[in-house]
Parts: sequence; structure tokens; C-alpha cells
Amino acid sequence: EAAVTQSPRNKVAVTGGKVTLSCNQTNNHNNMYWYRQDTGHGLRLIHYSYGAGSTEKGDIPDGYKASRPSQENFSLILELATPSQTSVYFCASGGGGGSNERLFFGHGTKLSVL
Amino acid sequence: DAKTTQPDSMESTEGETVHLPCSHATISGNEYIYWYRQVPLQGPEYVTHGLQQNTTNSMAFLAIASDRKSSTLILTHVSLRDAAVYHCILIQNQGGSAKLIFGEGTKLTVSS
Repeated sequence: EAAVTQSPRNKVAVTGGKVTLSCNQTNNHNNMYWYRQDTGHGLRLIHYSYGAGSTEKGDIPDGYKASRPSQENFSLILELATPSQTSVYFCASGGGGGSNERLFFGHGTKLSVL
Repeated sequence: DAKTTQPDSMESTEGETVHLPCSHATISGNEYIYWYRQVPLQGPEYVTHGLQQNTTNSMAFLAIASDRKSSTLILTHVSLRDAAVYHCILIQNQGGSAKLIFGEGTKLTVSS
């Protein structure tokens, strides 16, 4: 079974601080995604990547940066964290679109910005 | 990607068969229909997908209308473990990455 590992599982940050959320996949998938999910709502796409060195903006990229230094790793960076970024963040990896876009999700990172 | 419409919630009882509908009236010819489900405090889990033909696996049966403008996820003999939010998503058949856009989905409640 494909594996996606997120770290940390929980994070408390201060307003204005820098936060880095990490994601590692051992599936050799080209595509990786970062979503956030607020209580009682669906997932919203922040950034995604086609492969090492590429990052693309999703639907809500403002306030976030992404980095894909290798096939396995995809990071989400909050340079200046704000309380509105308190949420649960999910990373996912997938094959390549269409008939092969089954995504595998991590367990999520709960971020609280105080 | 085309938009999907699902009911906000549905209720069932253990052992029943549940039909979860999804409307995608503007679906294009190269878009696949994917279903995921999510339980609280966990990431979404893949359920099934299809293009035109009905499909079945150990988790569910996916019935796709002949005009592809709607689909129905059918869960047989549901148990308490099937209680989740079910998402119907359309994905383009393309060689690169695909933006999976999740809506609110249908919250399925299963009672004993």
C-alpha cells in the first residue's frame, strides 16, 4: 500500500512566525498536493506539483509557498503565519491524471496559529 | 474541470443498500468520475472511479448513466464503518498533473 507521511502531526505556532510542513511519499508518484480543511468544510487545494522542481498554485495559494526538492518530498511553507491559517493540512500523492489519478493521503497536520 | 452536485446528507441503517447520487451535467468526454470518502480526523480514501462503464470493486459499485451526466455510488450491506463524507470528483484524462477539487460531499450517517 502506498505511503504518505506528514510531519509534524500537530504544530502550535505564533503569529508572524515561519512554519514548514513536510510531506514524504514512497510511492514514486509524480504528483503531490497540499490541501487544507477547516472544521465542517471540504478540502481546498493550496499548491500542487508535477514533479521535482515544479510547484503550481492551487485555488487558495495566498500566504503559502511550496517546495518540491525531490520526487519524494513536498513542503508547505508559511513565511508569516496568521491565525486564519489555523487548520488541518493534508498532503497527497498521485499518479498522473485521468485514469491514474488515485490519490493517497497522509494523516494530516493540525496547525494552530496563536 | 466540470462541477459536481451532491446532496448534503443521507441516512441509512446497518445492512441496507445505499445509493449516493452525483450530478455532473457539464462533464466532458475526457473526464473520469472519481469517488473518495473521508472519516473525521483522517485524510480522504479512494473508493472507486470510472469513465463510461459501470465498475465494481470490494468497496462499492459505481453506476454511470449512459449520457454520463450523473452517477450513483452504491454501497451494499452498509456497516457503521461506512459512515463518512463521500466526494464525487471529475478528473481530466491528461498526461500530467490533475487538480482534484473537492466539494462538500455527502455526509452518510449509518445507524445500528
